[in-house]
Amino acid sequence: DTGVSQNPRHKITKRGQNVTFRCDPISEHNRLYWYRQTLGQGPEFLTYFQNEAQLEKSRLLSDRFSAERPKGSFSTLEIQRTEQGDSAMYLCASSTPREYNEQFFGPGTRLTVL
Amino acid sequence: AQKITQTQPGMFVQEKEAVTLDCTYDTSDQSYGLFWYKQPSSGEMIFLIYQGSYDEQNATEGRYSLNFQKARKSANLVISASQLGDSAMYFCAMRDSLSGTYKYIFGTGTRLKVLA
Repeated sequence: DTGVSQNPRHKITKRGQNVTFRCDPISEHNRLYWYRQTLGQGPEFLTYFQNEAQLEKSRLLSDRFSAERPKGSFSTLEIQRTEQGDSAMYLCASSTPREYNEQFFGPGTRLTVL
Repeated sequence: AQKITQTQPGMFVQEKEAVTLDCTYDTSDQSYGLFWYKQPSSGEMIFLIYQGSYDEQNATEGRYSLNFQKARKSANLVISASQLGDSAMYFCAMRDSLSGTYKYIFGTGTRLKVLA
């Protein structure tokens, strides 16, 4: 399967714990995006990588959130000191450099903070 | 500010009938792209169709077509010959061309239920 993969698919954690999610984009895609989707809403942009450079971060990305994309391949999203409001689906997407190409999404990681 | 509006929280359609899902957008950019994605209960976003602002013809992909009315700033998705497997959430999205990241701005979605 050469699509976007995300791990884990589900994560249940207690408030205050740290969690880390991983995204493996399609291999030739240099653009990588993280989105967050809460219940009943559309996905909202969190951050964007072009190769290994993080070029944009949303105001939704508080200082408890950090994302990396070492070597321009896979990416990780870490949430420190989780809060119940962090419960959501975290979606990763990738695309080629061409402006008109669609983004390919992974299956998402569903986070539940108790 | 760029914005996508989907005013239909839920829609029902009889199997084999056609259905239109509404999407209006707001942008000051002259060059923009509009997308429709399907999200089944499994959660993955599946790309359906794309319309560029300079495309003169409405986009079509199999049973999906996009009714693009630029002056009205609408980009409605038409699904013909609905199937039970079409039951899902549908999201309209616009590519943000202003920031250079081409991130998506999504609407709130429409939940479609196809009835047998």
